[in-house]
Amino acid sequence: AQSVTQLDSHVSVSEGTPVLLRCNYSSSYSPSLFWYVQHPNKGLQLLLKYTSAATLVKGINGFEAEFKKSETSFHLTKPSAHMSDAAEYFCVVSDRNTGNQFYFGTGTSLTVIP
Amino acid sequence: ETGVTQSPTHLIKTRGQQVTLRCSSQSGHNTVSWYQQALGQGPQFIFQYYREEENGRGNFPPRFSGLQYPNYRSVRNVIALELDDSALYLCASSSDRASYNEQFFGPGTRLTVL
Repeated sequence: AQSVTQLDSHVSVSEGTPVLLRCNYSSSYSPSLFWYVQHPNKGLQLLLKYTSAATLVKGINGFEAEFKKSETSFHLTKPSAHMSDAAEYFCVVSDRNTGNQFYFGTGTSLTVIP
Repeated sequence: ETGVTQSPTHLIKTRGQQVTLRCSSQSGHNTVSWYQQALGQGPQFIFQYYREEENGRGNFPPRFSGLQYPNYRSVRNVIALELDDSALYLCASSSDRASYNEQFFGPGTRLTVL
């Protein structure tokens, strides 16, 4: 069965400093991995996805993530945080066993301090 | 192109009542998934519909039931309510049921059960 563990429930960074949101996954098959962002009172928006092509994936708004099979990790990074990045971030896994059924982590709340 | 829409936006019901949540998928999409997001938690997979047939169910009882209409665009989720059903219900559509496909999420229906 698939599962996702987001290692930090809350992360706080200063504006202009790097962001690291950590995600570990479990999957019996080659996984597809996604990061979604949820701003208050707004819908979930895709930041980026990994689907067995390049292991370093670039997304929107300067975010990127690296798939590391040996570590079963898919951490999300951004070189410089912006105030508008404050939101809830979800790591998501799916695989060919269950197709397009998404399994979400519990989320990481990112606070950006001015 | 219209995105995923859901109705109603908010609902207040009492235990034992039945509620119908509606979703219209993005044009051209034949796969719709429903998720339950309790306060402070990540979304949990309820079930998925692909071309009018249920295509997988998470750990939810049969009182959560659904239907996808022949045009693929409209889906309903019917719940016979219990107190801990209070949550945000999210609908998401994708172009098909492959694991690597992005899901596009609607804004959700906030359900409160008293």
